[in-house]
Amino acid sequence: ETGVTQTPRHLVMGMTNKKSLKCEQHLGHNAMYWYKQSAKKPLELMFVYSLEERVENNSVPSRFSPECPNSSHLFLHLHTLQPEDSALYLCASSQDPGFSGQATRSSYEQYFGPGTRLTVT
Amino acid sequence: AQSVSQHNHHVILSEAASLELGCNYSYGGTVNLFWYVQYPGQHLQLLLKYFSGDPLVKGIKGFEAEFIKSKFSFNLRKPSVQWSDTAEYFCAVLTGNQFYFGTGTSLTVIP
Repeated sequence: ETGVTQTPRHLVMGMTNKKSLKCEQHLGHNAMYWYKQSAKKPLELMFVYSLEERVENNSVPSRFSPECPNSSHLFLHLHTLQPEDSALYLCASSQDPGFSGQATRSSYEQYFGPGTRLTVT
Repeated sequence: AQSVSQHNHHVILSEAASLELGCNYSYGGTVNLFWYVQYPGQHLQLLLKYFSGDPLVKGIKGFEAEFIKSKFSFNLRKPSVQWSDTAEYFCAVLTGNQFYFGTGTSLTVIP
Protein backbone atom coordinates (compact mmCIF):
# COMPACT_ATOMS: atom_id res chain seq x y z
CA GLU A 1 0.00 0.00 0.00
CA THR A 2 1.61 3.23 -1.12
CA GLY A 3 -0.79 5.63 0.54
CA VAL A 4 -2.05 6.74 -2.88
CA THR A 5 -5.21 5.10 -4.15
CA GLN A 6 -6.88 5.41 -7.54
CA THR A 7 -10.32 4.42 -8.74
CA PRO A 8 -11.40 2.86 -10.94
CA ARG A 9 -8.53 0.53 -11.76
CA HIS A 10 -9.91 -0.20 -15.21
CA LEU A 11 -12.22 1.89 -17.37
CA VAL A 12 -13.61 1.34 -20.85
CA MET A 13 -15.45 4.27 -22.36
CA GLY A 14 -16.80 5.37 -25.68
CA MET A 15 -15.74 8.57 -27.35
CA THR A 16 -18.95 10.34 -26.40
CA ASN A 17 -18.91 9.33 -22.73
CA LYS A 18 -18.04 11.46 -19.73
CA LYS A 19 -16.20 9.81 -16.87
CA SER A 20 -13.93 10.80 -13.99
CA LEU A 21 -10.81 9.31 -12.48
CA LYS A 22 -10.25 9.71 -8.76
CA CYS A 23 -7.06 9.84 -6.74
CA GLU A 24 -6.67 10.06 -2.98
CA GLN A 25 -3.50 10.36 -0.94
CA HIS A 26 -3.15 9.65 2.77
CA LEU A 27 0.44 10.88 3.16
CA GLY A 28 -0.06 14.51 4.14
CA HIS A 29 1.55 15.75 0.93
CA ASN A 30 0.86 19.17 -0.54
CA ALA A 31 1.38 18.41 -4.24
CA MET A 32 -0.44 16.00 -6.54
CA TYR A 33 0.19 15.00 -10.12
CA TRP A 34 -1.47 13.30 -13.09
CA TYR A 35 0.74 11.34 -15.49
CA LYS A 36 -0.05 9.46 -18.68
CA GLN A 37 1.89 6.25 -19.27
CA SER A 38 1.87 4.88 -22.81
CA ALA A 39 3.91 2.01 -24.14
CA LYS A 40 7.45 2.89 -25.24
CA LYS A 41 7.08 6.55 -24.27
CA PRO A 42 8.33 8.48 -21.24
CA LEU A 43 5.89 9.16 -18.50
CA GLU A 44 4.06 12.30 -19.56
CA LEU A 45 3.31 14.84 -16.86
CA MET A 46 -0.18 16.20 -17.46
CA PHE A 47 -1.06 18.33 -14.46
CA VAL A 48 0.49 19.44 -11.20
CA TYR A 49 -1.39 20.84 -8.25
CA SER A 50 0.36 22.47 -5.33
CA LEU A 51 -1.69 23.54 -2.33
CA GLU A 52 -4.78 22.86 -4.43
CA GLU A 53 -3.76 25.31 -7.16
CA ARG A 54 -2.80 24.17 -10.63
CA VAL A 55 0.83 25.04 -11.35
CA GLU A 56 1.51 23.06 -14.51
CA ASN A 57 -0.51 22.27 -17.59
CA ASN A 58 1.67 20.77 -20.26
CA SER A 59 -0.49 21.55 -23.26
CA VAL A 60 -2.94 18.85 -22.39
CA PRO A 61 -6.07 18.79 -24.58
CA SER A 62 -9.14 20.35 -23.03
CA ARG A 63 -10.95 17.02 -23.11
CA PHE A 64 -8.96 16.33 -19.92
CA SER A 65 -10.05 18.52 -17.04
CA PRO A 66 -8.44 18.22 -13.59
CA GLU A 67 -9.96 19.15 -10.28
CA CYS A 68 -8.32 19.34 -6.88
CA PRO A 69 -10.91 20.13 -4.19
CA ASN A 70 -8.42 19.65 -1.34
CA SER A 71 -4.86 18.51 -0.77
CA SER A 72 -5.88 14.86 -0.42
CA HIS A 73 -8.05 14.45 -3.50
CA LEU A 74 -7.45 14.84 -7.20
CA PHE A 75 -9.82 14.15 -10.06
CA LEU A 76 -9.39 13.90 -13.81
CA HIS A 77 -12.61 14.51 -15.71
CA LEU A 78 -12.76 12.97 -19.14
CA HIS A 79 -15.07 13.84 -22.04
CA THR A 80 -15.11 13.16 -25.77
CA LEU A 81 -11.84 11.25 -25.63
CA GLN A 82 -10.07 9.77 -28.62
CA PRO A 83 -8.74 6.22 -29.04
CA GLU A 84 -5.18 7.53 -28.75
CA ASP A 85 -6.00 8.61 -25.21
CA SER A 86 -6.03 4.95 -24.19
CA ALA A 87 -3.24 4.55 -21.65
CA LEU A 88 -2.44 4.02 -18.00
CA TYR A 89 -3.16 7.18 -16.00
CA LEU A 90 -1.08 7.51 -12.88
CA CYS A 91 -1.60 9.75 -9.93
CA ALA A 92 1.29 10.74 -7.67
CA SER A 93 1.79 12.89 -4.63
CA SER A 94 4.75 14.49 -2.89
CA GLN A 95 5.90 17.36 -0.82
CA ASP A 96 6.26 20.21 -3.27
CA PRO A 97 10.00 20.64 -4.04
CA GLY A 98 9.33 24.22 -4.99
CA PHE A 99 8.65 24.95 -1.34
CA SER A 100 11.63 23.05 -0.03
CA GLY A 101 15.13 24.29 0.37
CA GLN A 102 17.97 22.06 -0.70
CA ALA A 103 18.42 20.88 2.87
CA THR A 104 14.99 19.28 2.90
CA ARG A 105 14.90 18.04 -0.68
CA SER A 106 16.36 14.71 0.33
CA SER A 107 12.94 13.83 1.66
CA TYR A 108 11.32 14.59 -1.68
CA GLU A 109 10.07 11.72 -3.78
CA GLN A 110 6.89 11.02 -5.61
CA TYR A 111 4.57 8.30 -4.39
CA PHE A 112 2.50 6.72 -7.12
CA GLY A 113 -0.89 5.12 -7.15
CA PRO A 114 -1.61 1.88 -9.01
CA GLY A 115 -3.06 3.69 -12.00
CA THR A 116 -6.25 3.53 -14.01
CA ARG A 117 -6.07 1.52 -17.23
CA LEU A 118 -8.22 3.51 -19.66
CA THR A 119 -9.45 2.13 -22.96
CA VAL A 120 -11.31 4.42 -25.33
CA THR A 121 -13.39 2.62 -27.93
CA ALA B 1 13.86 20.89 -22.88
CA GLN B 2 15.38 18.49 -20.44
CA SER B 3 15.47 14.83 -21.32
CA VAL B 4 16.24 11.51 -19.71
CA SER B 5 17.57 8.70 -21.89
CA GLN B 6 17.45 5.03 -21.08
CA HIS B 7 19.42 3.22 -23.73
CA ASN B 8 18.22 -0.30 -23.13
CA HIS B 9 14.56 -0.79 -23.91
CA HIS B 10 14.43 -4.49 -23.17
CA VAL B 11 17.00 -6.57 -21.31
CA ILE B 12 16.87 -10.34 -20.85
CA LEU B 13 19.17 -12.00 -18.31
CA SER B 14 19.54 -15.34 -16.65
CA GLU B 15 19.36 -15.57 -12.89
CA ALA B 16 22.63 -14.69 -11.12
CA ALA B 17 23.79 -12.55 -14.04
CA SER B 18 24.94 -9.02 -13.33
CA LEU B 19 22.80 -6.07 -14.35
CA GLU B 20 23.59 -2.57 -15.49
CA LEU B 21 20.91 -0.27 -16.88
CA GLY B 22 21.99 3.00 -18.41
CA CYS B 23 20.50 6.42 -17.69
CA ASN B 24 21.68 9.74 -19.07
CA TYR B 25 20.16 13.16 -18.66
CA SER B 26 20.61 16.44 -20.48
CA TYR B 27 20.40 19.06 -17.72
CA GLY B 28 23.64 20.82 -16.77
CA GLY B 29 22.64 22.27 -13.41
CA THR B 30 21.96 20.72 -10.04
CA VAL B 31 19.96 17.54 -10.34
CA ASN B 32 18.43 14.99 -8.06
CA LEU B 33 18.21 11.48 -9.45
CA PHE B 34 15.90 8.54 -8.91
CA TRP B 35 15.31 5.01 -10.06
CA TYR B 36 11.79 3.64 -9.85
CA VAL B 37 10.63 0.09 -10.45
CA GLN B 38 7.26 -1.17 -11.61
CA TYR B 39 6.64 -4.87 -11.03
CA PRO B 40 4.00 -6.53 -13.21
CA GLY B 41 0.57 -5.34 -12.15
CA GLN B 42 1.93 -3.11 -9.41
CA HIS B 43 2.49 0.59 -8.90
CA LEU B 44 5.70 2.51 -9.44
CA GLN B 45 7.88 2.43 -6.35
CA LEU B 46 11.18 4.04 -5.46
CA LEU B 47 14.33 1.90 -5.67
CA LEU B 48 16.86 4.55 -4.72
CA LYS B 49 17.61 8.23 -4.97
CA TYR B 50 20.59 10.57 -5.05
CA PHE B 51 20.58 14.09 -3.65
CA SER B 52 24.13 14.80 -2.54
CA GLY B 53 27.20 13.24 -0.98
CA ASP B 54 28.52 9.82 -1.94
CA PRO B 55 27.80 9.33 -5.65
CA LEU B 56 27.36 5.61 -5.10
CA VAL B 57 23.86 5.12 -3.78
CA LYS B 58 22.55 1.92 -2.23
CA GLY B 59 18.88 1.09 -2.64
CA ILE B 60 16.47 -1.65 -1.75
CA LYS B 61 16.75 -5.27 -2.87
CA GLY B 62 20.50 -5.10 -3.51
CA PHE B 63 20.34 -2.38 -6.16
CA GLU B 64 22.81 0.46 -6.38
CA ALA B 65 23.43 3.36 -8.73
CA GLU B 66 26.39 5.59 -9.41
CA PHE B 67 26.11 9.27 -10.22
CA ILE B 68 28.87 10.35 -12.61
CA LYS B 69 28.45 14.08 -13.03
CA SER B 70 30.97 14.39 -15.87
CA LYS B 71 29.04 11.84 -17.89
CA PHE B 72 25.56 13.06 -16.90
CA SER B 73 24.82 9.47 -15.98
CA PHE B 74 23.11 7.57 -13.20
CA ASN B 75 23.37 3.88 -14.10
CA LEU B 76 21.59 1.22 -12.09
CA ARG B 77 23.43 -1.95 -11.10
CA LYS B 78 22.86 -5.23 -9.33
CA PRO B 79 25.58 -7.89 -9.08
CA SER B 80 23.26 -10.89 -9.23
CA VAL B 81 19.68 -10.66 -10.47
CA GLN B 82 16.79 -12.85 -9.42
CA TRP B 83 13.65 -13.93 -11.24
CA SER B 84 11.70 -11.59 -8.95
CA ASP B 85 13.59 -8.61 -10.42
CA THR B 86 11.56 -8.96 -13.62
CA ALA B 87 9.98 -5.52 -13.95
CA GLU B 88 10.04 -2.17 -15.72
CA TYR B 89 12.72 0.24 -14.49
CA PHE B 90 12.45 4.01 -14.83
CA CYS B 91 15.12 6.62 -14.35
CA ALA B 92 13.96 10.08 -13.29
CA VAL B 93 15.56 13.47 -12.80
CA LEU B 94 14.39 16.35 -10.65
CA THR B 95 15.65 19.75 -11.74
CA GLY B 96 14.37 22.76 -9.86
CA ASN B 97 10.79 21.70 -9.29
CA GLN B 98 10.36 19.75 -12.53
CA PHE B 99 10.39 15.96 -12.61
CA TYR B 100 11.38 14.11 -15.82
CA PHE B 101 11.13 10.38 -16.50
CA GLY B 102 12.88 8.17 -19.03
CA THR B 103 11.06 5.75 -21.33
CA GLY B 104 11.80 2.81 -19.09
CA THR B 105 13.71 -0.46 -19.47
CA SER B 106 11.91 -3.75 -19.37
CA LEU B 107 13.96 -6.41 -17.56
CA THR B 108 13.12 -10.08 -17.92
CA VAL B 109 15.04 -12.53 -15.73
CA ILE B 110 14.95 -16.15 -16.86
CA PRO B 111 15.07 -18.74 -14.07
